[in-house]
Amino acid sequence: ETGVTQSPTHLIKTRGQQVTLRCSSQSGHNTVSWYQQALGQGPQFIFQYYREEENGRGNFPPRFSGLQFPNYSSELNVNALELDDSALYLCASSLAFSYTFGSGTRLTVV
Amino acid sequence: DAKTTQPTSMDCAEGRAANLPCNHSTISGNEYVYWYRQIHSQGPQYIIHGLKNNETNEMASLIITEDRKSSTLILPHATLRDTAVYYCIALDRGSTLGRLYFGRGTQLTVWP
Repeated sequence: ETGVTQSPTHLIKTRGQQVTLRCSSQSGHNTVSWYQQALGQGPQFIFQYYREEENGRGNFPPRFSGLQFPNYSSELNVNALELDDSALYLCASSLAFSYTFGSGTRLTVV
Repeated sequence: DAKTTQPTSMDCAEGRAANLPCNHSTISGNEYVYWYRQIHSQGPQYIIHGLKNNETNEMASLIITEDRKSSTLILPHATLRDTAVYYCIALDRGSTLGRLYFGRGTQLTVWP
């Protein structure tokens, strides 16, 4: 079985720009969730997608948005980047409470 | 979801058992105890989960107290590769939203 793949692994953006991060789900997993992990902190839940719809959201502003595609892959979009958005972004695919995480995308906002 | 409390850091000699405690005094009947670990700059890795009974798999054992207010993750023979941050999570599987609430976890350092 394939794992969860995230791309890119690293990127650097300038404050105010927009960014799109991508995630390929593990085979058979129909739910995708995204987490933000600041340095020295545990991952924080951003939102979850099931059947191409957002069905839960953490305490993140609307400039954080996402998509889930028919093949269950997903995107995380962040508009108007701020310096505090610098973090490791993790994608997790799941089926019936079995979660598999990708290795994350390290975003640096300068 | 119930909050969990873990020590900030622990260490263990290689080859010895590592016992990582977790308090979850407000856990509800629908909430399972999950353990994940995160090796530096990688994604969290599932270890084990349980509801009431003790559980064991190829990675670890999970001991849950009878009142379910605390649990202990046991790595029976710790190796250097077990050095990681370990997260104890109370997950409400009765909810349609399976959000994992990660605290700061316990940094386990295994030394030679």
